[in-house]
Amino acid sequence: ETGVTQSPTHLIKTRGQQVTLRCSSQSGHNTVSWYQQALGQGPQFIFQYYREEENGRGNFPPRFSGLQFPNYSSELNVNALELDDSALYLCASSLRGANEQFFGPGTRLTVL
Amino acid sequence: SQQGEEDPQALSIQEGENATMNCSYKTSINNLQWYRQNSGRGLVHLILIRSNEREKHSGRLRVTLDTSKKSSSLLITASRAADTASYFCATDVSMDSSYKLIFGSGTRLLVRP
Repeated sequence: ETGVTQSPTHLIKTRGQQVTLRCSSQSGHNTVSWYQQALGQGPQFIFQYYREEENGRGNFPPRFSGLQFPNYSSELNVNALELDDSALYLCASSLRGANEQFFGPGTRLTVL
Repeated sequence: SQQGEEDPQALSIQEGENATMNCSYKTSINNLQWYRQNSGRGLVHLILIRSNEREKHSGRLRVTLDTSKKSSSLLITASRAADTASYFCATDVSMDSSYKLIFGSGTRLLVRP
């Protein structure tokens, strides 16, 4: 167990809806990263947050947005859901500057 | 986009045999890491090898790195049924005093009892 928790575990939405996924970081970690993992693929970097600000972003459209709170927990928001957004969404916490990231169990999102 | 490819995509071996997985990457790296994922759940960090290292061991795991060929391999010795999982290599890319991970496509390992 890494100490990183995510909620919910599973979620089903329909096209065009909005979704919020939540992540609680491992104690003491100040940086959180979000990844999208499509079925049969490796995770792809969405963005990273540090001190409540976005610290880097992958190749994802603006309808993917995030928040980090003072307690370092984080949210991933996706607007105008598309079928291709169906995936496992992973958050990972780390200390700023550290190479190793600690992953949560993920939220499996299905868009119908 | 994925950093590179892992080979093979799937591997099925008998318990007790060794499993070797290979990873190729495209750009210069700081470090290369290997992660394990059970049944589409969270990833667990296995081992990190720095760009100036050629080989590293951790228990039954042995990782090699060849920066001239931009490739790495993960060897699991004396495999167990519990080693059944997907294995991913990841390179870390510097990003304003922090890092993001770029993953390969993974190798699905099945260890038959």
